[in-house]
Amino acid sequence: TQLLEQSPQFLSIQEGENLTVYCNSSSVFSSLQWYRQEPGEGPVLLVTVVTGGEVKKLKRLTFQFGDARKDSSLHITAAQPGDTGLYLCAGVRAQKLVFGQGTRLTINP
Amino acid sequence: DSGVTQTPKHLITATGQRVTLRCSPRSGDLSVYWYQQSLDQGLQFLIHYYNGEERAKGNILERFSAQQFPDLHSELNLSSLELGDSALYFCASSPDRPNTEAFFGQGTRLTVV
Repeated sequence: TQLLEQSPQFLSIQEGENLTVYCNSSSVFSSLQWYRQEPGEGPVLLVTVVTGGEVKKLKRLTFQFGDARKDSSLHITAAQPGDTGLYLCAGVRAQKLVFGQGTRLTINP
Repeated sequence: DSGVTQTPKHLITATGQRVTLRCSPRSGDLSVYWYQQSLDQGLQFLIHYYNGEERAKGNILERFSAQQFPDLHSELNLSSLELGDSALYFCASSPDRPNTEAFFGQGTRLTVV
């Protein structure tokens, strides 16, 4: 079983639509991170959320950390083809930086 | 450019062979993490080194080993290779504890034939 469960695993939507992806755990994390990975490349850090209830915005991307620090969400407004990629959440547990299995997002023009 | 350098970028080798993957972390980063990513899979944590010492192990096979040298570069050694070891291998570096934001290299694509 995954320590961090992401949903949905796959999402394909039209340009201009909004979407939300989720990262859930039964464990408390001191912080959670979101990364985006494009084919053939390493993941790139998007944001770190630290405080329960925290909301961070990065242009059209909004990240939220749950009040109990067990879950996080990523909301994209007016998705664009350039948002296509694998979105990964990650957190530290026992000195291990562990990742969810990712949400593979495809934005169709 | 993340500042993390991995070599080689591509590697093709035969079953039963041994290979060494190299990672140079960002300047000043003390932590190095190694991950395996198979086709369409997430990142599987292999091992974490901090300032030359092993800090945590994931589901790393006994045929795999790693080390971090005094200059902080790291090597991942894969031996007795099997077809199933074909994957992307990433290393990531992080400044220090408890800051665990990781910066990834571009990966080594290993193909075992």
